[in-house]
Amino acid sequence: GAVVSQHPSRVICKSGTSVKIECRSLDFQATTMFWYRQFPKQSLMLMATSNEGSKATYEQGVEKDKFLINHASLTLSTLTVTSAHPEDSSFYICSAPGGYTEAFFGQGTRLTVV
Amino acid sequence: QQPVQSPQAVILREGEDAVINCSSSKALYSVHWYRQKHGEAPVFLMILLKGGEQKGHEKISASFNEKKQQSSLYLTASQLSYSGTYFCSYSGGSNYKLTFGKGTLLTVNP
Repeated sequence: GAVVSQHPSRVICKSGTSVKIECRSLDFQATTMFWYRQFPKQSLMLMATSNEGSKATYEQGVEKDKFLINHASLTLSTLTVTSAHPEDSSFYICSAPGGYTEAFFGQGTRLTVV
Repeated sequence: QQPVQSPQAVILREGEDAVINCSSSKALYSVHWYRQKHGEAPVFLMILLKGGEQKGHEKISASFNEKKQQSSLYLTASQLSYSGTYFCSYSGGSNYKLTFGKGTLLTVNP
């Protein structure tokens, strides 16, 4: 199956700083990438959809200015958490759609804001 | 709207069977099943596309009812490696984004 590589796998940052998470499709071109957030013992909740060459689409309740998404090429989508606060601590994971097949997930990023 | 999963949690002894249910208030294009272990990405188990479909591999199988509103995941002769949280999800719209259920925590004990 297709490989999606996500980095970093873990990051600890100070409150008020920004963190960038990268998601790369290694062996295919992804025009769309989904970004999910998962709090402990909860489900994966879609935050936004990134589209190569156009603006991201955010789900209701997700702050666009706080979670900046860029999809500059067909193999790279990034999520930047700006001015991070402890409540932003979570597991962030990207995935490329598989259509009528499985979705292809990155490894996930555990963000801890202290 | 999230699909509804039940049960929320189940504890098994190795070798026992389990069924996890997933339901939606509307007909679905497809239903996906994933297993996730703590701190890891979800792992794809299977996808069902057609009403009345049943499919499976090894000791894990799933069904999708005729109306495409209910799916069940069957785990038989459970192994320790089956432990994890199981999610059903559905794909909707033209961009195939997934909406996940709340998950079922499965614990298999020796």
